[in-house]
Amino acid sequence: EAEVAQSPRYKITEKSQAVAFWCDPISGHATLYWYRQILGQGPELLVQFQDESVVDDSQLPKDRFSAERLKGVDSTLKIQPAELGDSAMYLCASSRSGQYGDTQYFGPGTRLTVL
Amino acid sequence: GENVEQHPSTLSVQEGDSAVIKCTYSDSASNYFPWYKQELGKRPQLIIDIRSNVGEKKDQRIAVTLNKTAKHFSLHITETQPEDSAVYFCAALSRQNSGYALNFGKGTSLLVTP
Repeated sequence: EAEVAQSPRYKITEKSQAVAFWCDPISGHATLYWYRQILGQGPELLVQFQDESVVDDSQLPKDRFSAERLKGVDSTLKIQPAELGDSAMYLCASSRSGQYGDTQYFGPGTRLTVL
Repeated sequence: GENVEQHPSTLSVQEGDSAVIKCTYSDSASNYFPWYKQELGKRPQLIIDIRSNVGEKKDQRIAVTLNKTAKHFSLHITETQPEDSAVYFCAALSRQNSGYALNFGKGTSLLVTP
């Protein structure tokens, strides 16, 4: 069964450094999501792509976060500079079309610790 | 925007008992409600979902009910087993900008003791 892949699984960095996370969605899935999950809370959407276009990035802190999906397949989420409050799990998810009720499949996440 | 409240935050039951987790939502336009199970250190996995044209859906030991008038939905797990121990998240799908976004509850940590 195909799964969403993410790397790295764990990342420790110092504040003010730059970090980048990578996501490879399930093959053929047009919609890709990046979520942030703070310990003890549910995932919160950061950005949504439909193919290579951003559909929603209203919750993305654009002064330090950026995301791209250049060829409409895999995606990179970057934080520069990282702050202590960015410590969280960053989850990527994909769905076939992004249509209403389309199932979202999650990757294993990247656990970020900012020291 | 959509706001999803989930209760309880922790739930401990004995093996074989039933467990019920409840969620409320605020956006009356929401009509897709998935439930995800997240085991420690693993990815969230969809276990069941319901659409607003259905009041109840069942899959073996798991069932979900939806009351659109009251804007609440619940997850029911019967004959619980230790492997049901995990964090469970409810979510509601709502229109957000050009797409549809899932808004999650804060999760319920379920512990099933043998």
